[in-house]
Amino acid sequence: GNSVTQMEGPVTLSEEAFLTINCTYTATGYPSLFWYVQYPGEGLQLLLKATKADDKGSNKGFEATYRKETTSFHLEKGSVQVSDSAVYFCALKGTGFQKLVFGTGTRLLVSP
Amino acid sequence: DAGVTQSPTHLIKTRGQQVTLRCSPKSGHDTVSWYQQALGQGPQFIFQYYEEEERQRGNFPDRFSGHQFPNYSSELNVNALLLGDSALYLCASSFTGTSVYSGANVLTFGAGSRLTVL
Repeated sequence: GNSVTQMEGPVTLSEEAFLTINCTYTATGYPSLFWYVQYPGEGLQLLLKATKADDKGSNKGFEATYRKETTSFHLEKGSVQVSDSAVYFCALKGTGFQKLVFGTGTRLLVSP
Repeated sequence: DAGVTQSPTHLIKTRGQQVTLRCSPKSGHDTVSWYQQALGQGPQFIFQYYEEEERQRGNFPDRFSGHQFPNYSSELNVNALLLGDSALYLCASSFTGTSVYSGANVLTFGAGSRLTVL
């Protein structure tokens, strides 16, 4: 079945540092890939998405490229801020009426 | 434009009791999915409702049941609560319409209902 593997956290960075959170997936067919963010005490917010190979999703300075050859969708940001502290979830959705499959989440802590 | 709203936000139950959680989808959305998020884990798919029918179900026992109403709102019911049912329950809505292909349809999540079972 479909699955997502994320790097374990927490990831601790200083403000303005470069961020990478690794995500790899296993899926049949051509899934869509997503990054969601969860701030403390809140639900999930869509951060970015990509629907086909080589697509790059981007939002709020975050980027991720759909790499079919390496089955990866790593999240990057060039300069993190304290306000980026949250839990980040990588997820995939197959074609048709299929569910979202999430990774276990990676907590990001950014200090001033 | 209101997003996905869930109620109640927090509730405490005891083992063996039953609970009903409610969800109103985002305006224009016709499909509702429910997810369970245990502490420190990613959300796990429970089931999805479209046109008032359960369209897909995850690996959850029959104690978990749901309903979708003609106005697209939905309820999640859990019977015979166990300690392990303590979690954040997330509702997500999306638009299916008449398109068979919904692979790229984005889910909008509510803030969740946090259930504690004592």
